[in-house]
Amino acid sequence: QVTLRESGPALVKPTQTLTLTCSFSGFSLSTKEMCVAWIRQPPGKALEWLALIDWEGDKYYSPSLRTRLTISKDTSENQVLLRVTNVDPVDTATYYCARIPGKSNYFDFWGQGTLVTVSS
Amino acid sequence: QSVLTQPPSVSAAPGQKVTISCSGSTSNIGYNFVSWYQHLPGTAPKLLIYDNNERPSGIPDRFSGSKSGTSATLGITGLQTGDEADYYCVTWDSSLSAPVFGGGTKLTVL
Repeated sequence: QVTLRESGPALVKPTQTLTLTCSFSGFSLSTKEMCVAWIRQPPGKALEWLALIDWEGDKYYSPSLRTRLTISKDTSENQVLLRVTNVDPVDTATYYCARIPGKSNYFDFWGQGTLVTVSS
Repeated sequence: QSVLTQPPSVSAAPGQKVTISCSGSTSNIGYNFVSWYQHLPGTAPKLLIYDNNERPSGIPDRFSGSKSGTSATLGITGLQTGDEADYYCVTWDSSLSAPVFGGGTKLTVL
């Protein structure tokens, strides 16, 4: 059974660095062509892809947020981390992690999401 | 501004059929598979359709997908009040080397 769960601070101040953790089970990120992605949804707005990391550790980022994002993985702990630097109130959103199964471009399992509010 | 264009909202009566369009370009829909998701606020998005027209196990055949050229369509028949949700199309954009999302369509079952 595949599950993903996001965790992180509910509130961060502007200019701080936000670190989110995606803990997953039921699959291994060392499996060939497996990927995990981060997606967010600001209140009242659409889903927005942020970053993904594949089984080899290759990383892909949203062009508009590339300079502020860092994605990493801890395969032994079944976790994927996302770091967002210099946060702003516009980064207030529900953040989701999701799995991309081997050699595909769709997200088959998602976490429940974690709401992060950026406010002083 | 989303890379893929969806209508902001659609509506239909219970039992009726509705279609949701998703328009893109040759760098995304034109050469890559499309997937569709149902999203209820506060819940995890659910995969409805992948590879343009395939349904994961457990998704009823009331949901269907198609693609033609640079556009894709999600169809839902036998509408139920429980289908009220936001629906998103997603594909890979070869120029951006990134997944791209549509702006989402809110379905209202009147």
